[in-house]
Amino acid sequence: DTGVSQDPRHKITKRGQNVTFRCDPISEHNRLYWYRQTLGQGPEFLTYFQNEAQLEKSRLLSDRFSAERPKGSFSTLEIQRTEQGDSAMYLCASSSGTSGRGDTQYFGPGTRLTVL
Amino acid sequence: DAKTTQPNSMESNEEEPVHLPCNHSTISGTDYIHWYRQLPSQGPEYVIHGLTSNVNNRMASLAIAEDRKSSTLILHRATLRDAAVYYCILSRLYNNNDMRFGAGTRLTVKP
Repeated sequence: DTGVSQDPRHKITKRGQNVTFRCDPISEHNRLYWYRQTLGQGPEFLTYFQNEAQLEKSRLLSDRFSAERPKGSFSTLEIQRTEQGDSAMYLCASSSGTSGRGDTQYFGPGTRLTVL
Repeated sequence: DAKTTQPNSMESNEEEPVHLPCNHSTISGTDYIHWYRQLPSQGPEYVIHGLTSNVNNRMASLAIAEDRKSSTLILHRATLRDAAVYYCILSRLYNNNDMRFGAGTRLTVKP
Protein backbone atom coordinates (compact mmCIF):
# COMPACT_ATOMS: atom_id res chain seq x y z
CA ASP A 1 0.00 0.00 0.00
CA THR A 2 1.84 3.07 -1.26
CA GLY A 3 -0.84 5.52 -0.23
CA VAL A 4 -2.29 8.41 -2.18
CA SER A 5 0.28 10.52 -3.96
CA GLN A 6 -0.04 14.00 -5.41
CA ASP A 7 2.14 15.93 -7.76
CA PRO A 8 3.45 18.56 -7.54
CA ARG A 9 3.60 19.22 -3.82
CA HIS A 10 3.98 22.94 -4.37
CA LYS A 11 3.08 25.17 -7.28
CA ILE A 12 3.65 28.89 -7.64
CA THR A 13 2.05 30.56 -10.60
CA LYS A 14 1.12 33.99 -11.86
CA ARG A 15 -2.45 35.14 -12.05
CA GLY A 16 -4.05 34.17 -15.32
CA GLN A 17 -1.94 31.07 -15.91
CA ASN A 18 -3.33 27.54 -16.11
CA VAL A 19 -2.21 24.85 -13.69
CA THR A 20 -2.77 21.11 -13.55
CA PHE A 21 -2.42 18.81 -10.56
CA ARG A 22 -2.21 15.04 -10.55
CA CYS A 23 -3.46 12.54 -8.01
CA ASP A 24 -2.62 8.83 -7.92
CA PRO A 25 -5.03 7.00 -5.62
CA ILE A 26 -4.44 3.79 -3.75
CA SER A 27 -4.55 1.06 -6.37
CA GLU A 28 -7.94 -0.60 -6.80
CA HIS A 29 -9.75 2.22 -5.03
CA ASN A 30 -12.87 2.99 -7.02
CA ARG A 31 -13.63 6.38 -5.54
CA LEU A 32 -11.54 9.52 -5.82
CA TYR A 33 -12.24 12.90 -4.27
CA TRP A 34 -10.83 16.39 -4.60
CA TYR A 35 -10.94 18.93 -1.78
CA ARG A 36 -9.68 22.45 -1.33
CA GLN A 37 -8.38 23.75 1.98
CA THR A 38 -7.61 27.35 2.85
CA LEU A 39 -5.63 28.45 5.88
CA GLY A 40 -7.39 27.78 9.17
CA GLN A 41 -10.33 25.99 7.57
CA GLY A 42 -11.25 22.37 7.11
CA PRO A 43 -11.17 20.78 3.66
CA GLU A 44 -14.03 21.74 1.34
CA PHE A 45 -15.40 19.11 -1.01
CA LEU A 46 -14.92 19.90 -4.72
CA THR A 47 -15.75 16.81 -6.73
CA TYR A 48 -15.97 13.04 -6.65
CA PHE A 49 -15.39 10.17 -9.10
CA GLN A 50 -16.67 6.63 -9.05
CA ASN A 51 -14.21 4.89 -11.39
CA GLU A 52 -14.04 7.23 -14.43
CA ALA A 53 -17.43 8.84 -13.89
CA GLN A 54 -17.58 12.25 -12.24
CA LEU A 55 -20.68 11.90 -10.09
CA GLU A 56 -20.79 15.08 -8.07
CA LYS A 57 -19.44 18.60 -8.30
CA SER A 58 -19.60 21.25 -5.63
CA ARG A 59 -20.81 24.72 -6.53
CA LEU A 60 -17.31 25.79 -5.45
CA LEU A 61 -16.08 24.21 -8.66
CA SER A 62 -16.45 27.13 -11.05
CA ASP A 63 -16.21 26.73 -14.82
CA ARG A 64 -12.49 27.50 -14.57
CA PHE A 65 -12.01 24.18 -12.79
CA SER A 66 -12.11 20.82 -14.52
CA ALA A 67 -11.30 17.37 -13.24
CA GLU A 68 -10.81 14.11 -15.08
CA ARG A 69 -10.16 10.50 -14.28
CA PRO A 70 -9.82 9.06 -17.77
CA LYS A 71 -9.16 5.40 -17.06
CA GLY A 72 -10.51 5.18 -13.57
CA SER A 73 -7.03 5.33 -12.09
CA PHE A 74 -5.17 8.64 -11.67
CA SER A 75 -6.99 11.97 -11.78
CA THR A 76 -6.08 15.49 -12.84
CA LEU A 77 -7.47 18.78 -11.60
CA GLU A 78 -6.97 21.76 -13.90
CA ILE A 79 -7.53 25.38 -13.01
CA GLN A 80 -7.67 27.80 -15.91
CA ARG A 81 -6.98 31.53 -15.67
CA THR A 82 -5.91 31.27 -12.04
CA GLU A 83 -6.92 33.99 -9.60
CA GLN A 84 -5.35 34.93 -6.29
CA GLY A 85 -8.37 33.48 -4.51
CA ASP A 86 -7.43 30.07 -5.88
CA SER A 87 -4.42 29.99 -3.57
CA ALA A 88 -5.02 27.01 -1.30
CA MET A 89 -4.06 23.43 -0.55
CA TYR A 90 -5.66 21.00 -3.00
CA LEU A 91 -6.18 17.59 -1.44
CA CYS A 92 -6.98 14.31 -3.11
CA ALA A 93 -8.45 11.30 -1.35
CA SER A 94 -9.49 7.82 -2.40
CA SER A 95 -11.66 5.12 -0.95
CA SER A 96 -12.48 1.55 -1.85
CA GLY A 97 -16.19 2.21 -2.38
CA THR A 98 -17.15 -0.86 -0.37
CA SER A 99 -19.86 0.92 1.56
CA GLY A 100 -21.83 -0.76 4.25
CA ARG A 101 -19.66 0.25 7.14
CA GLY A 102 -18.91 3.80 6.17
CA ASP A 103 -16.20 4.15 3.56
CA THR A 104 -12.87 5.46 4.81
CA GLN A 105 -11.15 8.13 2.75
CA TYR A 106 -7.36 8.10 2.52
CA PHE A 107 -5.83 11.48 1.81
CA GLY A 108 -2.73 12.46 -0.07
CA PRO A 109 -0.27 15.10 1.16
CA GLY A 110 -1.83 17.81 -0.97
CA THR A 111 -0.62 20.32 -3.55
CA ARG A 112 -0.11 23.81 -2.22
CA LEU A 113 -0.96 26.40 -4.87
CA THR A 114 0.19 30.00 -4.58
CA VAL A 115 -1.12 32.47 -7.15
CA LEU A 116 0.89 35.67 -7.33
CA ASP B 1 -27.08 18.86 5.65
CA ALA B 2 -26.45 17.57 9.15
CA LYS B 3 -23.71 19.64 10.78
CA THR B 4 -21.30 19.13 13.63
CA THR B 5 -20.14 21.52 16.35
CA GLN B 6 -16.73 21.23 17.97
CA PRO B 7 -14.73 23.47 20.29
CA ASN B 8 -12.15 25.52 18.43
CA SER B 9 -9.26 24.39 20.61
CA MET B 10 -8.33 22.16 23.52
CA GLU B 11 -5.20 21.54 25.55
CA SER B 12 -3.93 18.40 27.14
CA ASN B 13 -0.92 17.26 29.07
CA GLU B 14 1.25 14.53 27.66
CA GLU B 15 0.36 11.00 28.79
CA GLU B 16 -3.06 12.07 30.04
CA PRO B 17 -6.38 11.09 28.43
CA VAL B 18 -8.10 13.54 26.10
CA HIS B 19 -11.83 13.73 25.46
CA LEU B 20 -12.73 15.63 22.28
CA PRO B 21 -16.47 16.39 22.09
CA CYS B 22 -18.67 16.76 19.03
CA ASN B 23 -22.32 17.77 18.85
CA HIS B 24 -24.46 16.64 15.92
CA SER B 25 -28.01 17.24 17.03
CA THR B 26 -29.47 16.98 13.49
CA ILE B 27 -27.90 13.61 12.72
CA SER B 28 -30.06 11.23 10.70
CA GLY B 29 -30.41 7.51 11.14
CA THR B 30 -28.09 6.67 8.26
CA ASP B 31 -25.27 9.06 9.16
CA TYR B 32 -21.98 7.57 10.23
CA ILE B 33 -19.81 9.57 12.62
CA HIS B 34 -16.23 9.84 11.36
CA TRP B 35 -13.20 11.35 13.00
CA TYR B 36 -10.17 12.46 11.05
CA ARG B 37 -7.15 14.37 12.20
CA GLN B 38 -4.71 16.58 10.35
CA LEU B 39 -1.15 16.99 11.48
CA PRO B 40 0.72 20.11 10.40
CA SER B 41 1.55 20.17 6.69
CA GLN B 42 -0.16 16.84 6.03
CA GLY B 43 -3.43 15.65 4.58
CA PRO B 44 -6.18 14.47 6.93
CA GLU B 45 -5.76 11.03 8.44
CA TYR B 46 -8.56 8.64 9.35
CA VAL B 47 -8.92 8.02 13.08
CA ILE B 48 -12.13 6.12 13.72
CA HIS B 49 -15.79 5.90 12.77
CA GLY B 50 -19.01 4.45 14.13
CA LEU B 51 -22.76 4.33 13.68
CA THR B 52 -24.43 3.52 16.99
CA SER B 53 -22.13 1.50 19.23
CA ASN B 54 -18.95 2.62 20.88
CA VAL B 55 -15.85 1.73 18.88
CA ASN B 56 -12.23 1.09 19.76
CA ASN B 57 -9.15 0.82 17.60
CA ARG B 58 -5.43 1.14 18.12
CA MET B 59 -5.55 4.91 17.80
CA ALA B 60 -8.58 5.91 19.84
CA SER B 61 -12.03 5.15 21.18
CA LEU B 62 -15.30 6.64 20.00
CA ALA B 63 -18.11 7.03 22.51
CA ILE B 64 -21.52 7.70 20.91
CA ALA B 65 -24.39 9.02 22.98
CA GLU B 66 -27.49 6.87 23.13
CA ASP B 67 -29.52 9.43 21.17
CA ARG B 68 -26.59 9.84 18.75
CA LYS B 69 -26.74 13.61 19.04
CA SER B 70 -23.22 13.81 20.38
CA SER B 71 -20.02 11.81 20.41
CA THR B 72 -16.62 11.93 22.06
CA LEU B 73 -13.27 10.93 20.65
CA ILE B 74 -11.04 9.57 23.39
CA LEU B 75 -7.28 9.47 23.15
CA HIS B 76 -6.25 7.32 26.08
CA ARG B 77 -2.74 8.70 26.54
CA ALA B 78 -1.94 11.82 24.58
CA THR B 79 1.52 12.12 23.08
CA LEU B 80 3.18 15.11 21.49
CA ARG B 81 2.54 13.46 18.11
CA ASP B 82 -1.20 13.67 18.73
CA ALA B 83 -1.10 17.46 18.42
CA ALA B 84 -3.32 18.09 15.40
CA VAL B 85 -6.66 19.43 14.23
CA TYR B 86 -9.38 16.86 14.86
CA TYR B 87 -12.45 16.82 12.63
CA CYS B 88 -15.79 15.25 13.46
CA ILE B 89 -17.75 14.55 10.28
CA LEU B 90 -21.05 12.94 9.41
CA SER B 91 -21.31 10.82 6.29
CA ARG B 92 -24.29 9.12 4.81
CA LEU B 93 -24.34 5.35 4.60
CA TYR B 94 -23.78 4.38 0.95
CA ASN B 95 -23.08 8.01 0.10
CA ASN B 96 -19.67 8.67 1.54
CA ASN B 97 -19.00 11.44 -0.95
CA ASP B 98 -21.11 13.68 1.24
CA MET B 99 -18.39 14.35 3.83
CA ARG B 100 -18.36 17.97 5.00
CA PHE B 101 -15.46 19.07 7.18
CA GLY B 102 -15.91 21.89 9.68
CA ALA B 103 -13.10 23.89 11.25
CA GLY B 104 -12.32 21.11 13.73
CA THR B 105 -10.69 21.23 17.17
CA ARG B 106 -7.03 22.16 17.42
CA LEU B 107 -5.48 19.95 20.09
CA THR B 108 -2.35 21.17 21.81
CA VAL B 109 -0.39 18.65 23.88
CA LYS B 110 1.90 20.05 26.53
CA PRO B 111 4.96 18.10 27.68
